Amino acid sequence: KQEVTQIPAALSVPEGENLVLNCSFTDSAIYNLQWFRQDPGKGLTSLLLIQSSQREQTSGRLNASLDKSSGRSTLYIAASQPGDSATYLCAVSQIKAAGNKLTFGGGTRVLVKP
Amino acid sequence: DAGITQSPRHKVTETGTPVTLRCHQTENHRYMYWYRQDPGHGLRLIHYSYGVKDTDKGEVSDGYSVSRSKTEDFLLTLESATSSQTSVYFCAISGSSGSANTGELFFGEGSRLTVL
Repeated sequence: KQEVTQIPAALSVPEGENLVLNCSFTDSAIYNLQWFRQDPGKGLTSLLLIQSSQREQTSGRLNASLDKSSGRSTLYIAASQPGDSATYLCAVSQIKAAGNKLTFGGGTRVLVKP
Repeated sequence: DAGITQSPRHKVTETGTPVTLRCHQTENHRYMYWYRQDPGHGLRLIHYSYGVKDTDKGEVSDGYSVSRSKTEDFLLTLESATSSQTSVYFCAISGSSGSANTGELFFGEGSRLTVL
């Protein structure tokens, strides 16, 4: 059974510092990996999707890497801002079957202090 | 927004009553999912659908049923609600009708259910 772990569970940084969020998974036979952001009381917003054949994806200040062989992904957020404060979740899907059923990590709660 | 509407957004009910949550999409996506989110357990898949009238169970399906009679609507029913079903329920969609189906999931805003 796939297990996804995100460490640390919470992170506090001063504004301007780069954020590094970690995600590890136990079964390397994944179809893709997705990073989400969740604000309190809100739904999940998709940030980046990395297909299993890719090593990284970039969007603005966000960069996500994927190392399937070691079962790890890292989300980098450059020059953090208070508006980046949220919970970040990673999720992996197994080899594509009927839909992409995701297994989620527990999330990293980020606070960016002005 | 990915064109996903969940209703109701908030509901308080009593143990033993039936509850139906609705997910409506305007994206014509093939796959639809119901997840629940609980402190200490994260997000867990309840049921999913891979087409009209085609559904299957997720990891926490006991006590829940689903139906999908139209592409755009996916209903989650709690036949007899229990306090353990107090949670935030999220609907998600994936599988665009276009050629580039990346498998990316898009989530609704959630439905907060309290069972007293």
